[in-house]
Amino acid sequence: SQKIEQNSEALNIQEGKTATLTCNYTNYSPAYLQWYRQDPGRGPVFLLLIRENEKEKRKERLKVTFDTTLKQSLFHITASQPADSATYLCALVANSGYALNFGKGTSLLVTP
Amino acid sequence: GAVVSQHPSRVICKSGTSVKIECRSLDFQATTMFWYRQFPKQSLMLMATSNEGSKATYEQGVEKDKFLINHASLTLSTLTVTSAHPEDSSFYICSATGGQGAAKNIQYFGAGTRLSVL
Repeated sequence: SQKIEQNSEALNIQEGKTATLTCNYTNYSPAYLQWYRQDPGRGPVFLLLIRENEKEKRKERLKVTFDTTLKQSLFHITASQPADSATYLCALVANSGYALNFGKGTSLLVTP
Repeated sequence: GAVVSQHPSRVICKSGTSVKIECRSLDFQATTMFWYRQFPKQSLMLMATSNEGSKATYEQGVEKDKFLINHASLTLSTLTVTSAHPEDSSFYICSATGGQGAAKNIQYFGAGTRLSVL
């Protein structure tokens, strides 16, 4: 069966450091992989989309890598800030149509 | 741009009543809308996919008579939880897509509706 695995343990880091979150998947052949941010009691917010032929993508302090051989994506936040504290979700398109399957998310806490 | 409004944000109802949740795309035409539910500390679980003017496609295990979805226009989809019971209590979130190519994969989410059935 298809699985999207994210580190379920919360990640606590100090302000200014780089946060690295991992997304592993099985039984997918994705053309795209996406990362979303979700704050408590809110809907997810789209952050980045990376295509299968892109190794790396950047947006301001965010960087995403996509290794289709390892079936893994890494999500980096550089110079992290307390405002970056949230749950980050990895998402892949389901087999049919454009529906997304989400991982459980990794909770990030950035402390001053 | 790409704003999705979901209403109400919170609803408390008695067991047996029906609850309607609205999802609107405010500044774009949403060819496809999705409905998810999320339990605490869990991932979003897709319930159904709806395309404007056609019947929704429900995921396995989701009762279509229980969760009625209507997508009557390119900017509005509604989810009605019929005869709600306490086990239906959850966080319901809608999303919409409307782009082309790779952008069609990007989903814009509403703020969610917290349903509590007493």
